[in-house]
Amino acid sequence: KAGVTQTPRYLIKTRGQQVTLSCSPISGHRSVSWYQQTPGQGLQFLFEYFSETQRNKGNFPGRFSGRQFSNSRSEMNVSTLELGDSALYLCASSLKKDGSYEQYFGPGTRLTVT
Amino acid sequence: KQEVTQIPAALSVPEGENLVLNCSFTDSAIYNLQWFRQDPGKGLTSLLLIQSSQREQTSGRLNASLDKSSGRSTLYIAASQPGDSATYLCAVIGGGSQGNLIFGKGTKLSVKP
Repeated sequence: KAGVTQTPRYLIKTRGQQVTLSCSPISGHRSVSWYQQTPGQGLQFLFEYFSETQRNKGNFPGRFSGRQFSNSRSEMNVSTLELGDSALYLCASSLKKDGSYEQYFGPGTRLTVT
Repeated sequence: KQEVTQIPAALSVPEGENLVLNCSFTDSAIYNLQWFRQDPGKGLTSLLLIQSSQREQTSGRLNASLDKSSGRSTLYIAASQPGDSATYLCAVIGGGSQGNLIFGKGTKLSVKP
């Protein structure tokens, strides 16, 4: 079974631009979560989608948004990019098994804002 | 607010040594705890998932334990190898839905040949 895929893998943008990242979950997984990883803050939760609905949201500004499609694929968008948005963005999909959810991560998208 | 702490931040050991990585969390009301491995610049690989009702899980040379009452988990790696060099992260469900993991900052492990 194919793992979680993320596109693009690397991205360079300029301050003020916007960017869209894509995530395809493991087949059959309906929950997709997004995380931001930086050297200073570590891994931080952005939001989670389940069946096209945002189910949980982390403490990030409104410039960060996302959506999920009927095939469970998800996109996240960052508008008006700032230098501090440079990070590795990871998405994870999960499936309920034996009463619990185990998250499987993709390889990430490395975003550099100049 | 749930907080996860991992000690030590970095660890260097000679090949063949057995070692223990520590993880502590402030709120014992967790659904489960998951240990991950991350290689430089890469995504996370799930190593072990311990449900809140379990005390430990084993996979090959890895054994993870969970003590909810004290807010602690340990990852035991037996007979370490250079290929085990990576950053090890523990995470707990952050409350609300189960799609929200709260991570520690990780332990960077280096196994010297």
